[in-house]
Amino acid sequence: KNEVEQSPQNLTAQEGEFITINCSYSVGISALHWLQQHPGGGIVSLFMLSSGKKKHGRLIATINIQEKHSSLHITASHPRDSAVYICAVRREADGLTFGKGTHLIIQP
Amino acid sequence: DAGVTQSPTHLIKTRGQQVTLRCSPISGHKSVSWYQQVLGQGPQFIFQYYEKEERGRGNFPDRFSARQFPNYSSELNVNALLLGDSALYLCASSRQLAKNIQYFGAGTRLSVL
Repeated sequence: KNEVEQSPQNLTAQEGEFITINCSYSVGISALHWLQQHPGGGIVSLFMLSSGKKKHGRLIATINIQEKHSSLHITASHPRDSAVYICAVRREADGLTFGKGTHLIIQP
Repeated sequence: DAGVTQSPTHLIKTRGQQVTLRCSPISGHKSVSWYQQVLGQGPQFIFQYYEKEERGRGNFPDRFSARQFPNYSSELNVNALLLGDSALYLCASSRQLAKNIQYFGAGTRLSVL
């Protein structure tokens, strides 16, 4: 079993829909990251969380440390949001451990 | 400010050869991490360096090595290349070690023939 599990693996939605991507992890962490990767490889860091909730524009990320679960929400989704969204966790002495990513396609 | 820069962007090698990948972190960042991303999978942690010392190592063979220089730039070396080493190699920098956002470079795409 992977230390970081994401769901769904693939998601296709219509423009304007509310999107939720889930991440569960099985180890103690110091922080959880949500990342966005576009075709060609470039990775952009969206959020780093150790508790609670963060919001940036149309993106919202939440984390529940007790349940070892985090969610990434996209409100009023747009085709330009189409990308792979990756959840990654950090333990104290290691680099990031990544989930396999969620492939999101937003259709016009 | 320039972001994390990696060179080269693309590289083609043959089995058995050696390769060196380079990474320049964002100015002021003291930590550099290396990741391998095989096509269709999430990145895998290879190394983390902080203040020129190795602070973390993933589950990779000894053919993989790295170092960090006094200016905080870093090199990743891979010896005796195998076909399975073909991947996107990502470098990320952060100000400190833990609880810091990591900023990623665009990666070096290595193809081993």
